[in-house]
Amino acid sequence: AQSVAQPEDQVNVAEGNPLTVKCTYSVSGNPYLFWYVQYPNRGLQFLLKYITGDNLVKGSYGFEAEFNKSQTSFHLKKPSALVSDSALYFCAVRGQNSGYSTLTFGKGTMLLVSP
Amino acid sequence: NAGVTQTPKFRVLKTGQSMTLLCAQDMNHEYMYWYRQDPGMGLRLIHYSVGEGTTAKGEVPDGYNVSRLKKQNFLLGLESAAPSQTSVYFCASSPDWWVQYFGAGTRLSVL
Repeated sequence: AQSVAQPEDQVNVAEGNPLTVKCTYSVSGNPYLFWYVQYPNRGLQFLLKYITGDNLVKGSYGFEAEFNKSQTSFHLKKPSALVSDSALYFCAVRGQNSGYSTLTFGKGTMLLVSP
Repeated sequence: NAGVTQTPKFRVLKTGQSMTLLCAQDMNHEYMYWYRQDPGMGLRLIHYSVGEGTTAKGEVPDGYNVSRLKKQNFLLGLESAAPSQTSVYFCASSPDWWVQYFGAGTRLSVL
């Protein structure tokens, strides 16, 4: 079985400061990892993914994520937060050896960026 | 470009009533999914489809049925609604399993 843990329900950061949203995963074999963002009253939007290759993945809106196999983590980062980054962030995982094409999502982390 | 469209956007049901949620996508995607989102629970997969005429159970399928008679449509049915099915329902589609595209959601309340 595959699972995702997002240990923080909420992350607070001041505008202009760096932000990190944490994600750890459990999966058989190598993982495929994803970050999605949800703005209020909207569906989820894809931010970035890790499939293979470079451990640092760059995505939309200046976000990036670092894959760490030894720590089974895929933390989302941004060098300088914006108030407009305030949203609910979901990490998701799929095992490379999964028998079916579905993702397992974490419970989500609310990011609040204060002016 | 419409993308993934869900109807209705809001619905209130009484316990025991039935209803169907419609998801339509205009991107010619093979895969379609139904999720429910509950506070503190994240997204949980109800049912999914890997192509026209196919359906499969996800993590929380009980109390729901689905159909994919046309490639562009994925219907989610509640035969006898229960208060535990009060939730926000999201449909998604994907051309493969890399990236999913989500609709705006349906807020369902069962009284």
